[in-house]
Amino acid sequence: AQKVTQAQTEISVVEKEDVTLDCVYETRDTTYYLFWYKQPPSGELVFLIRRNSFDEQNEISGRYSWNFQKSTSSFNFTITASQVVDSAVYFCALSEGDKLIFGTGTRLQVFP
Amino acid sequence: ETGVTQTPRHLVMGMTNKKSLKCEQHLGHNAMYWYKQSAKKPLELMFVYSLEERVENNSVPSRFSPECPNSSHLFLHLHTLQPEDSALYLCASSQDRVGSGNTIYFGEGSWLTVV
Repeated sequence: AQKVTQAQTEISVVEKEDVTLDCVYETRDTTYYLFWYKQPPSGELVFLIRRNSFDEQNEISGRYSWNFQKSTSSFNFTITASQVVDSAVYFCALSEGDKLIFGTGTRLQVFP
Repeated sequence: ETGVTQTPRHLVMGMTNKKSLKCEQHLGHNAMYWYKQSAKKPLELMFVYSLEERVENNSVPSRFSPECPNSSHLFLHLHTLQPEDSALYLCASSQDRVGSGNTIYFGEGSWLTVV
């Protein structure tokens, strides 16, 4: 069965620190998609990135970067120079057929 | 303004009430979803609709009844709920089904409390 593991339940950092959120997945599919979403206290899940299994190129978007390593089944997310507005729960997800399988999320708290 | 809007944002209902959650997407998408998010549990897929046809029912109790009258609207009808059904209910949509590599976009959710 497909599975997504986010081992870090909660992370606290001070503003301007770099932080990496880990995501490890299990799948038998050869073609699959990986996602990261951000959930602020308001509740909405905000899409951050989608990656397909054939594209292992790392991606950078402003202060956000993603490291996809198929060899270790990991899709980690790094925030550089964190800010208080980055405080949220972050979810990693894996496609399974027409479903998204979500991890349990990592709560990030950034203190001023 | 978000592309997926949900109403009401907050709902308190008694166990004998009948209420409905409404979702509207303004993105021209063909697939719509209901997810449930409970405390300390992963996000759970409840229902998937593609082109107004239900394609997935993830073993959801019959006290939850979805309705998709057109590709832009999705309802979740609620009746005789239990306190353990209290959760955040998230509606979402995607251009086509996730299996084709489409991204799911979520609404802000409806916070439901059953008393």
